[in-house]
Amino acid sequence: DIQMTQSPSSLSASVGDRVTITCRASQNIRSYLNWYEQKPGKAPKILIVAASSLQSGVPSRFSGSGSGTDFTLTISSLQPEDFATFYCQQSYIAPLSFGGGTKVEIK
Amino acid sequence: QVQLQQWGAGLLRPSETLSLTCGVYGDSFSGNFWTWIRQPPGKGLEWIGEINHRGSTNHNPSLKSRVTLSVDASQNQFSLKLSSVTAADTAVYYCARSLVPAGRGNNYFDSWGQGTLVTVSS
Repeated sequence: DIQMTQSPSSLSASVGDRVTITCRASQNIRSYLNWYEQKPGKAPKILIVAASSLQSGVPSRFSGSGSGTDFTLTISSLQPEDFATFYCQQSYIAPLSFGGGTKVEIK
Repeated sequence: QVQLQQWGAGLLRPSETLSLTCGVYGDSFSGNFWTWIRQPPGKGLEWIGEINHRGSTNHNPSLKSRVTLSVDASQNQFSLKLSSVTAADTAVYYCARSLVPAGRGNNYFDSWGQGTLVTVSS
């Protein structure tokens, strides 16, 4: 099974900050990497698919990059509504797997 | 726009069988893959498995021996049964939609149910 490791597990940031979250796969997953945002008590919401493709309706301050084993999610200017937990997910091979999450908190 | 609405028992005793159903509204039931994902309190997400309208399934091996996925395409519903539950199965269970099957290209979950908290306690 493919293990997904996110870092950091949590971070504190201020509105307007640039935030970068990393996700590492235990083996090459090409570009089969997706990012989700989850707010408390809600289901996850898809942000980015195939490592860098922004889903319709997702603000352009979100971007994704990477391929192979190392990926990043970047929020260029953190907004109040972005305080949430972010998860990566590999879709290269079943069983599908998620990273442990990165909680973005207000500094 | 597709909507997923799920229901089922929220409190179980150890060794009982978890049973959840997800109804799909506003979208074609065929041509998609219907998935169950769970999230223990305060923890990350775990993929349980998927089923299509024909009943073809794909499971997470970590749970496979206890999981039964079924579909009622006539009602646009799919279901999850998890047998012999323990406290470790306490989690919020989500149903979700994927446009492609697991491991066949970029599989992601674009629509989700509201989640059901299932608590296993004696």
